[in-house]
Amino acid sequence: KQEVTQIPAALSVPEGENLVLNCSFTDSAIYNLQWFRQDPGKGLTSLLLIQSSQREQTSGRLNASLDKSSGRSTLYIAASQPGDSATYLCAVYTGGFKTIFGAGTRLFVKA
Amino acid sequence: SQTIHQWPATLVQPVGSPLSLECTVEGTSNPNLYWYRQAAGRGLQLLFYSVGIGQISSEVPQNLSASRPQDRQFILSSKKLLLSDSGFYLCAWSVAERGGGEQFFGPGTRLTVL
Repeated sequence: KQEVTQIPAALSVPEGENLVLNCSFTDSAIYNLQWFRQDPGKGLTSLLLIQSSQREQTSGRLNASLDKSSGRSTLYIAASQPGDSATYLCAVYTGGFKTIFGAGTRLFVKA
Repeated sequence: SQTIHQWPATLVQPVGSPLSLECTVEGTSNPNLYWYRQAAGRGLQLLFYSVGIGQISSEVPQNLSASRPQDRQFILSSKKLLLSDSGFYLCAWSVAERGGGEQFFGPGTRLTVL
């Protein structure tokens, strides 16, 4: 059974710091991995989608990497800003319309 | 561009009352549609998905049902709400060519059952 874990559960950093959020999954048989951002009380915003054949994807200050064999993905945020404060979720697609989500990392960037 | 709407945004209902949550998608045709529930501090749980009009698949046994009366409309219903139905309900869509396409989410509905 696929399980997705995100560590740490919460993170507080000063503005301007580069940071890494971690996502691990137990079964390497995935089709893709998606990173989302969720603001309090809001829906999920898609940040990056990495197909299983890809190693990384970049969008602005965000870079996501995928190591399928080790069951790990990281989301790198450069030069963090207070507006980056949110919960970040990763999700793996395992086929059959099933996407497994992690519980998220709650990020707080202090001004 | 594609847009996904959900309503209502918040709902407070007594135990035993019926429920109807609606989701509509604009700017795409024949999307895959999903209903998820998010409990506090936990990951999202897939409740239902649909690959076309009238085609509904349920992922977990529950007190809820779903329907897709039109291509871009997805409805979540219950005849009698339970306390355990409280949560944050999210609708999502993805491109129909493949099940694993990028998913896009609506703003969600916060349901409180009292």
